[in-house]
Amino acid sequence: DAEITQSPRHKITETGRQVTLACHQTWNHNNMFWYRQDLGHGLRLIHYSYGVQDTNKGEVSDGYSVSRSNTEDLPLTLESAASSQTSVYFCASSDSQVGAEAFFGQGTRLTVV
Amino acid sequence: KNEVEQSPQNLTAQEGEFITINCSYSVGISALHWLQQHPGGGIVSLFMLSSGKKKHGRLIATINIQEKHSSLHITASHPRDSAVYICAGRGGSNYKLTFGKGTLLTVNP
Repeated sequence: DAEITQSPRHKITETGRQVTLACHQTWNHNNMFWYRQDLGHGLRLIHYSYGVQDTNKGEVSDGYSVSRSNTEDLPLTLESAASSQTSVYFCASSDSQVGAEAFFGQGTRLTVV
Repeated sequence: KNEVEQSPQNLTAQEGEFITINCSYSVGISALHWLQQHPGGGIVSLFMLSSGKKKHGRLIATINIQEKHSSLHITASHPRDSAVYICAGRGGSNYKLTFGKGTLLTVNP
């Protein structure tokens, strides 16, 4: 069965370190998204991609970057982790049809100490 | 003001009750998603709808495009329905989702 997986599920890192969160989908979807979920804010868009070599900034992109070298993967990199980036991160993917469903990974809980 | 508003924020019910969660949006959307998230868990898509009504088991979702309003109903609620329910609007010409802040539902036995 097709799926979308995130790794690691939990990560603790120190302030200033570079961290990369992995997202891998086997749906062959063109569209991939990274969101963060925080109490009081709900889910907010960090970065997104509509295909290989395409990346775009979302509403909370400062301090994050992504790259899309193939259809299956959209890794999210925190260049220099900050305590404000402690959050739960979700990756999602969808097909390019307007009515297509979105599929979410299980989430990565990141703690920056 | 968030472009997607949900109400109520918290909802407590007794097992067996009929539950309604509301979602209003102020932007044009091509589709509306209802999502479920159990405590500490991942996010699961329940419905994606652009008009009318959809039903899956005890769950029913409706949308009124003219009024920019959607509802999620749960019939004969059960403690396992306890979760956060999130509505999200999908942009007209893009595929990005704008999320409501969620409704925390607790169903007591």
